[in-house]
Amino acid sequence: DVKVTQSSRYLVKRTGEKVFLECVQDMDHENMFWYRQDPGLGLRLIYFSYDVKMKEKGDIPEGYSVSREKKERFSLILESASTNQTSMYLCASSIFGRRPEGSPLHFGNGTRLTVT
Amino acid sequence: DQQVKQNSPSLSVQEGRISILNCDYTNSMFDYFLWYKKYPAEGPTFLISISSIKDKNEDGRFTVFLNKSAKHLSLHIVPSQPGDSAVYFCAVQGAQKLVFGQGTRLTINP
Repeated sequence: DVKVTQSSRYLVKRTGEKVFLECVQDMDHENMFWYRQDPGLGLRLIYFSYDVKMKEKGDIPEGYSVSREKKERFSLILESASTNQTSMYLCASSIFGRRPEGSPLHFGNGTRLTVT
Repeated sequence: DQQVKQNSPSLSVQEGRISILNCDYTNSMFDYFLWYKKYPAEGPTFLISISSIKDKNEDGRFTVFLNKSAKHLSLHIVPSQPGDSAVYFCAVQGAQKLVFGQGTRLTINP
């Protein structure tokens, strides 16, 4: 089974702090993703990466950056945390390429971030 | 600009009956359509998917229907069980990334 591990389940940070959310996957997947989940808005894509050192903006990249120095690790960085970044953050990975069932994402259990 | 819409935030169904969750999308270029299930305090888990060249895919109690002309996707669960109570997200896939709907909270009543 694919395991996607997010380093923290809960985080509380102050406005203006720099915040790092870490994600590691153990299945040698090429693709990694960061989503945030908010009530009534579903899951929205922040950033994704197809390979080491590569990154692509998702639908809501403002206020975030990412780092992918190793294939198994994908970090989300909040440069200067704000209260509107209080959310559930979900990391996911998938195999690159087409399969009969598509390329389902495998998610971690999420990090609930509160910015005060 | 919401590419994927789940118009029912919640649905309540009696145990043993059929649950039908619906999803509408706007772009005809998507390749795959997927359903995910999410329990509280856990990440979403993949449930079932369908390719754009098919109109039905079945896996046990779960069946996904795709109506391309209406740009509509539905998930049927029959019979519904208490363990099916969760939030269900539909998602559409183009290239390598997924776009999700807002989710529907399904509650199965005994």
